Amino acid sequence: KAGVTQTPRYLIKTRGQQVTLSCSPISGHRSVSWYQQTPGQGLQFLFEYFSETQRNKGNFPGRFSGRQFSNSRSEMNVSTLELGDSALYLCASSADSANTGELFFGEGSRLTVL
Amino acid sequence: DQQVKQNSPSLSVQEGRISILNCDYTNSMFDYFLWYKKYPAEGPTFLISISSIKDKNEDGRFTVFLNKSAKHLSLHIVPSQPGDSAVYFCAAKNQAGTALIFGKGTTLSVSS
Repeated sequence: KAGVTQTPRYLIKTRGQQVTLSCSPISGHRSVSWYQQTPGQGLQFLFEYFSETQRNKGNFPGRFSGRQFSNSRSEMNVSTLELGDSALYLCASSADSANTGELFFGEGSRLTVL
Repeated sequence: DQQVKQNSPSLSVQEGRISILNCDYTNSMFDYFLWYKKYPAEGPTFLISISSIKDKNEDGRFTVFLNKSAKHLSLHIVPSQPGDSAVYFCAAKNQAGTALIFGKGTTLSVSS
């Protein structure tokens, strides 16, 4: 069974640009969550999608957005990039109907903003 | 304010000994607590979890203890192995939601 796949793995952008990151969940998983990992703040929740609907949202500005497609694949977008957006962006999927919090993470997309 | 805190950034242990990683939380509404392990250049991997209605959960070498009155949980690894060297994240889930709130992690180094 293939794991969570994130693309691209690494990317470099400049301030003001926008970026789109992609995530393919484990087959059969309908929930996809996104987290930002930075050295100072650790892992912080961005948002979660379930059946193409945003079910939960973290405390991030509106420049961060996402969506989920009918095949459960998800994308997140960051517009008007700032230096502080440099981070590892992690996608996680879940089939956890019992809602115990168990997530399966991808390897992440490392974004560097210059 | 941090709802989940891991106050020790690092821990060094000798192979074969016990590793104890600690985590404190502030929110009484958390219903599940989880531990994730992360190697460099990889995503976090689920290790073990515990429901808020229990005080202990064991899985092989890994045991998690929950002390609700102290709002404290700990992960015990016995015996520790060099392959356990990684960053360990404590996480908690609010019973009303699906998002995980993570601590900032503890780097465990197990020397042979």
